[in-house]
Amino acid sequence: GQNIDQPTEMTATEGAIVQINCTYQTSGFNGLFWYQQHAGEAPTFLSYNVLDGLEEKGRFSSFLSRSKGYSYLLLKELQMKDSASYLCALMDSNYQLIWGAGTKLIIKP
Amino acid sequence: IAGITQAPTSQILAAGRRMTLRCTQDMRHNAMYWYRQDLGLGLRLIHYSNTAGTTGKGEVPDGYSVSRANTDDFPLTLASAVPSQTSVYFCASSDSNLGADTQYFGPGTRLTVL
Repeated sequence: GQNIDQPTEMTATEGAIVQINCTYQTSGFNGLFWYQQHAGEAPTFLSYNVLDGLEEKGRFSSFLSRSKGYSYLLLKELQMKDSASYLCALMDSNYQLIWGAGTKLIIKP
Repeated sequence: IAGITQAPTSQILAAGRRMTLRCTQDMRHNAMYWYRQDLGLGLRLIHYSNTAGTTGKGEVPDGYSVSRANTDDFPLTLASAVPSQTSVYFCASSDSNLGADTQYFGPGTRLTVL
């Protein structure tokens, strides 16, 4: 079967760096997505990794290790507007997304 | 219209009533999806459509039906609503589901079944 784990909640300080981890188990893999979801809003796409390594996009970076079933999202220079839930989702062998429950990130001044 | 729209924004419904949630996209995407999102759980796929005229069952299809008469519209129907269907419903679309295409989400419908 498939399983995705990510922390329920994290707290960080404005201006700091935070790393949100995601571990998964799957029999088929076509990549891993990260989405951001502000409270009461729709998820919006942040990043996609299919090969091992780090993908950098401005203040946000995403890392993947397929052999370890592990990904993380790294947020630098945190801003108050980064307070949101961050959703990890793996794309299975049928190109369907399997979603984690999300990590609620709280940014404090 | 830009992107995906959903209607209604929210609805309170009596148990046993029939309800159709509407979803329209103007990106000419082939694939469309319906998810429900419940507190503490990840998004769960209800039904999907790879292209107009075809539909498929997701992880939690029971109690729901869909149709895909054209590319733009993908309505979700609850034939006889039950309280366990209280949730936030998101419609999404992607260029195709034959590759790792990004899914884009509508604003959601918050449904309460009493």
